[in-house]
Amino acid sequence: GAGVSQSPSNKVTEKGKDVELRCDPISGHTALYWYRQSLGQGLEFLIYFQGNSAPDKSGLPSDRFSAERTGGSVSTLTIQRTQQEDSAVYLCASSFFFANTGELFFGEGSRLTVL
Amino acid sequence: AQSVAQPEDQVNVAEGNPLTVKCTYSVSGNPYLFWYVQYPNRGLQFLLKYITGDNLVKGSYGFEAEFNKSQTSFHLKKPSALVSDSALYFCAVRDMGGATNKLIFGTGTLLAVQP
Repeated sequence: GAGVSQSPSNKVTEKGKDVELRCDPISGHTALYWYRQSLGQGLEFLIYFQGNSAPDKSGLPSDRFSAERTGGSVSTLTIQRTQQEDSAVYLCASSFFFANTGELFFGEGSRLTVL
Repeated sequence: AQSVAQPEDQVNVAEGNPLTVKCTYSVSGNPYLFWYVQYPNRGLQFLLKYITGDNLVKGSYGFEAEFNKSQTSFHLKKPSALVSDSALYFCAVRDMGGATNKLIFGTGTLLAVQP
């Protein structure tokens, strides 16, 4: 489809395991964002990629979290040694360079449950 | 630091009545302001934005928002609510005078429209 695609849509894992969440942005979008949505916490910014610039990692909550974006397209968010507090919906969004439109296009999210 | 506040966790309104969902912001420079909507089990969808110009901004599904610089507010409004408007609404801001390009979201307001 033409929208932002995220996989898996649901992931259940055991505490201590590593997980990878994938985001395939809209073709041509140079900016890619990861957000975390927890119950009662709203949307928490995690990381932002813009073209070939160094990513803004200021929102990553700990060094267990990392993300990469290969070839300026697909992005993977990795959570190592998962904890129960990592349970949330992880949302990916993409956009043209912000100055042009300012609108983010979101995927439907990956729901992570850590047992 | 830039931030947005949504003071109401939930807003209840009867179908056909006008609705208002409140948002206030704090930025160091000129704000870019946004409203997004999230329907159950879906990703966020863009509703409208204020960049510059008229303080009253019109968006999707009959929604509008009024930018008020003196009150640092950007409240979402609709003259006549529909049951199908029931969803989670997020206000967001980008500080165009700041050093970052990320979008900061509020904690969300659940709108419940009763038939």
